Amino acid sequence: EAGVAQSPRYKIIEKRQSVAFWCNPISGHATLYWYQQILGQGPKLLIQFQNNGVVDDSQLPKDRFSAERLKGVDSTLKIQPAKLEDSAVYLCASSLRRGEFTDTQYFGPGTRLTVL
Amino acid sequence: EDKVVQSPLSLVVHEGDTVTLNCSYEVTNFRSLLWYKQEKKAPTFLFMLTSSGIEKKSGRLSSILDKKELFSILNITATQTGDSAVYLCARGGDDMRFGAGTRLTVKP
Repeated sequence: EAGVAQSPRYKIIEKRQSVAFWCNPISGHATLYWYQQILGQGPKLLIQFQNNGVVDDSQLPKDRFSAERLKGVDSTLKIQPAKLEDSAVYLCASSLRRGEFTDTQYFGPGTRLTVL
Repeated sequence: EDKVVQSPLSLVVHEGDTVTLNCSYEVTNFRSLLWYKQEKKAPTFLFMLTSSGIEKKSGRLSSILDKKELFSILNITATQTGDSAVYLCARGGDDMRFGAGTRLTVKP
């Protein structure tokens, strides 16, 4: 079974530029999560999709961050414009929303973003 | 604010020691309590707990949940250098919340 795919793996941009990240979840996983993990901290949930609908985006800085999951499969996360404090690893995860497996997430390798 | 608090933040032990990692959470939107291990890359799943008092085991690792006191512990017995990692707990629900993690270092 293929895991969660993310691209790019690394990205370096200057502040005020835009950047987009892509995620393809495990086949059949209805729930998709985007997390921001700043060095030394735990992952912070940015947005959670159930199929193509948003379940939780309460911690997404909506003035600069946006995300979509148009066909209920892959997803993109965009930052526009980027700030220095956006430097972090952006993790995508997916889970099978079924019974006891609902919350068990499988993570992709992450995208390390550096904003200069 | 919905919080998941882990303790200690870091821990240094020697091979063969037993360690206990702690996680407390707030009850809002609780559905499950999850433990992950994070080495240099993405977190990998260890356990999911939904019922109080039922221990889950995997080799030298075990975990238990107390839904009355709102905490969970992760035990690692006979630690090995390969156990060195950050251990994360998360409160599962329609909004997932992670703790800051416990950094475990196991010295030879």
